Amino acid sequence: AQRVTQPEKLLSVFKGAPVELKCNYSYSGSPELFWYVQYSRQRLQLLLRHISRESIKGFTADLNKGETSFHLKKPFAQEEDSAMYYCALILTGRRALTFGSGTRLQVQP
Amino acid sequence: DAGVIQSPRHEVTEMGQEVTLRCKPISGHDYLFWYRQTMMRGLELLIYFNNNVPIDDSGMPEDRFSAKMPNASFSTLKIQPSEPRDSAVYFCASSSEGTGGTGELFFGEGSRLTVL
Repeated sequence: AQRVTQPEKLLSVFKGAPVELKCNYSYSGSPELFWYVQYSRQRLQLLLRHISRESIKGFTADLNKGETSFHLKKPFAQEEDSAMYYCALILTGRRALTFGSGTRLQVQP
Repeated sequence: DAGVIQSPRHEVTEMGQEVTLRCKPISGHDYLFWYRQTMMRGLELLIYFNNNVPIDDSGMPEDRFSAKMPNASFSTLKIQPSEPRDSAVYFCASSSEGTGGTGELFFGEGSRLTVL
């Protein structure tokens, strides 16, 4: 069965420091990968998807099929990046997302 | 559009009582999902519907849980009887075959359930 692993429950960094939120997946096929974010008192929302190869709010994520990873990165963290981040995958032909357990990012001033 | 609307936002009940959670998806969306969020297990898919028809209910924990979607604008998740281990935040989400593309789900604010 497919699985998404986020090894860190909490990641604390200082403002201006680089950020890397780790995500590994297990699936024998070619899934689509996503990062979702939940800011305080806001709804869970899509941050970015691997097929778009875009940078959103300074965040990027590269799919590494060899390492089955989809780590989320930002070169310089901002305080407003503090939130809960979820990595998720969707299988070809399906609609439901499988989520990781989430990583809470705290950016300290 | 107000987005996905869930009610109640908070529910506190006693073990053995029936709990009904409600969801109104975004108008025009043809997929509806129910997820459960706990500290231990994160976000788990319970069930999802397409055009009001259940597609995958393999995540429903046991017979105490049931979900219905009588029409395109309303869905319920029922727990009967409830148990303390059902305490969690229950999220409803919807998506469309068209706009947003595969994988973009629009979530409600969640219903926080506490079973004493």
